[in-house]
Amino acid sequence: KQEVTQIPAALSVPEGENLVLNCSFTDSAIYNLQWFRQDPGKGLTSLLLIQSSQREQTSGRLNASLDKSSGRSTLYIAASQPGDSATYLCAPEGYQKVTFGIGTKLQVIP
Amino acid sequence: ETGVTQTPRHLVMGMTNKKSLKCEQHLGHNAMYWYKQSAKKPLELMFVYSLEERVENNSVPSRFSPECPNSSHLFLHLHTLQPEDSALYLCASSRFGQGASTEAFFGQGTRLTVV
Repeated sequence: KQEVTQIPAALSVPEGENLVLNCSFTDSAIYNLQWFRQDPGKGLTSLLLIQSSQREQTSGRLNASLDKSSGRSTLYIAASQPGDSATYLCAPEGYQKVTFGIGTKLQVIP
Repeated sequence: ETGVTQTPRHLVMGMTNKKSLKCEQHLGHNAMYWYKQSAKKPLELMFVYSLEERVENNSVPSRFSPECPNSSHLFLHLHTLQPEDSALYLCASSRFGQGASTEAFFGQGTRLTVV
């Protein structure tokens, strides 16, 4: 059974800082891994999808890396902004099943 | 706007009521999912439909009954719920093929309160 751990559970940083969110998963037999953000009481917004054959993906100020063999992924956010405040969820996908971590709650202080 | 629409956005129902949640996508996806999100818990996968066939049912109580009449629509029928079923219910869709799926898109969720 896949288990996903995200560290830290919560993070508060001043605006402009670069930061790293960590995700680890126990079953490395995954097809891909997706990072999402969730604003309070809302649905999930997809940020990045990394296929199992890839090492990283970039979108704007976001960079996600994947080390499938060690069961780890990181999400790097450059030059953080108050609008980045949200909960960030990591979700590796196995066969027809996506497992979510509990997320990292990020607050960027102006 | 993700292309996945859920209605209603909020629902309050008594334990003896019957209601349905609706999810709709026009992204050309062939897989749809129901998730439950309770406070301080990870999202829990409830049901997966791939090509309109249910392929996953994570030991969900029978008071939750999914229906997928076509690849664009997914329903979750609710009856005789319990207060602990109060949660955010999220629908998602993706394109599934050859054992893997593309990026999943989520709806905004239905906030369900059982009184």
